[in-house]
Amino acid sequence: GENVEQHPSTLSVQEGDSAVIKCTYSDSASNYFPWYKQELGKRPQLIIDIRSNVGEKKDQRIAVTLNKTAKHFSLHITETQPEDSAVYFCAANSGGSNYKLTFGKGTLLTVNP
Amino acid sequence: NAGVTQTPKFRVLKTGQSMTLLCAQDMNHEYMYWYRQDPGMGLRLIHYSVGEGTTAKGEVPDGYNVSRLKKQNFLLGLESAAPSQTSVYFCASTLAGVAYEQYFGPGTRLTVT
Repeated sequence: GENVEQHPSTLSVQEGDSAVIKCTYSDSASNYFPWYKQELGKRPQLIIDIRSNVGEKKDQRIAVTLNKTAKHFSLHITETQPEDSAVYFCAANSGGSNYKLTFGKGTLLTVNP
Repeated sequence: NAGVTQTPKFRVLKTGQSMTLLCAQDMNHEYMYWYRQDPGMGLRLIHYSVGEGTTAKGEVPDGYNVSRLKKQNFLLGLESAAPSQTSVYFCASTLAGVAYEQYFGPGTRLTVT
C-alpha cells in the first residue's frame, strides 16, 4: 500500500519568515495530494490540494509543488503569521484511488511573534 | 447545513465495555470514513464505506466494527474496549467521483481505563 513520509515533525519560525514542509510517497499511481491544517482541538481542514497534471499551485500565501519523478511534494507558506500555527498533514490517494487517502504523520508548525 | 457531525464528543469507558460512535452528514456524500488520531501517528484509517450497505477495512481495523445502513450515517462500534483504543476518532465524508476533499467531523475523544 501507499506510504507517506512527512518532514519535519516540528518546525518553529519567526513571524514573517517562510515555512516549508516536505512529503514523499511510495505509490507511483497516486495522483491527488491534499494538505490539511488542524488547529489545536479542532478538526482537520483542507487548505490546498494538487493533482498530478500540474507541478505547482498557489493560493495567496500558500503554495504546493509536486515532483512526480522523485515522488515528493511540498507545502510552502510565505510571510507566516501566528494564526498559521497548527499541525499540517500531507496526504496522497492510495493507488490512484478516488476515495482513499494515506496521511503523513503531521508537522507541528509554531510561528513566533 | 451542519456538515459532518459526531456523537458523542467525549466518552470514558472501562476496559471490556462496548460503545457506538455515530457519524452523520447532510451533504449527500457517497463515501464515509473513520480515522483515529494518536500523538505522532497522524490520521490512520480504521474502516470506510463507498456507499450505503457497503463497508471495507482500512489500515487499523482490529477491534472495531462499522455499519452504514443509511447513506447519511456511519457507525463505529467497539465491542470490548481496550486501553489501546484510547484516541481521538474522526469521521469524514466526501463526494464520489474523482479524488476530492474529505470533510471531517469535530472528533470524539475516547478514553479507556
